[in-house]
Amino acid sequence: DGGITQSPKYLFRKEGQNVTLSCEQNLNHDAMYWYRQDPGQGLRLIYYSQIVNDFQKGDIAEGYSVSREKKESFPLTVTSAQKNPTAFYLCASSRGTGLNTEAFFGQGTRLTVV
Amino acid sequence: QKEVEQNSGPLSVPEGAIASLNCTYSDRVSQSFFWYRQYSGKSPELIMSIYSNGDKEDGRFTAQLNKASQYVSLLIRDSQPSDSATYLCAVNLGAGYGGSQGNLIFGKGTKLSVKP
Repeated sequence: DGGITQSPKYLFRKEGQNVTLSCEQNLNHDAMYWYRQDPGQGLRLIYYSQIVNDFQKGDIAEGYSVSREKKESFPLTVTSAQKNPTAFYLCASSRGTGLNTEAFFGQGTRLTVV
Repeated sequence: QKEVEQNSGPLSVPEGAIASLNCTYSDRVSQSFFWYRQYSGKSPELIMSIYSNGDKEDGRFTAQLNKASQYVSLLIRDSQPSDSATYLCAVNLGAGYGGSQGNLIFGKGTKLSVKP
C-alpha cells in the first residue's frame, strides 16, 4: 500500500536522552515535513525538506535535527536540548510542484518524557 | 508572516443540518487549498482539495474558493455525529517558497460538534 509510515506510535524518553522518530513514504513525493502538535493546539512546523539532501528550519527547530539522505526517508531526532518534548509528532509528504500538491500525514508518534 | 485564519469554534450544529466552515488566507500567491479532518488523538486526514475559483463537490462535502476575496470554505451537508472533529484549512504556496513557515501553511482548525 502507498502511504506514509511513522514509527514508533508511542515513544518514551528519559531526561537528557536523544530519540529518533522514523518517517518513511513510498509515494515518490519530493517534499516532506515534520510538525509538532500540543493538546488543543494547531500544527507547528519543525523542519521541512523540498528535495533530497536539503532541508530548512521551521518555526520551532531548536532542539531538533533531521536528515534527508533518501527521498523516501526523513527521520527526526529530538535532542536533549529540547526542554519540553512531550507532544504529538506528525510527518507529512507532498509533491513539490504543480497542482495536486496535497500533503498526506502519517499516523503520528506520541512522545512522552518520563 | 503568511497566515491562514479559522474560527476556532466550537461550532455546534444539529444532526442533519449544514455545517459551514470558513477560512481566510493572507498570501495572494497561494496556489492550492485543502481541508483536513482530524479526530481527537489521530492524524489529519485530507478530505477536500480545490485549486480554482468556484465550488467542488464530493459527496456531502462542498469546498468553495474565492481567490479575489482570499476565502475558502467547506460545507458539510446532512451533518452526522461522526463528522464531529477539528477541521484544518491549509494552503500551499508552491515550490520555491521557504522561510521558517515553509510553503504549506495550516490554520489552527475549527472544532465541529454535531449533536444527535
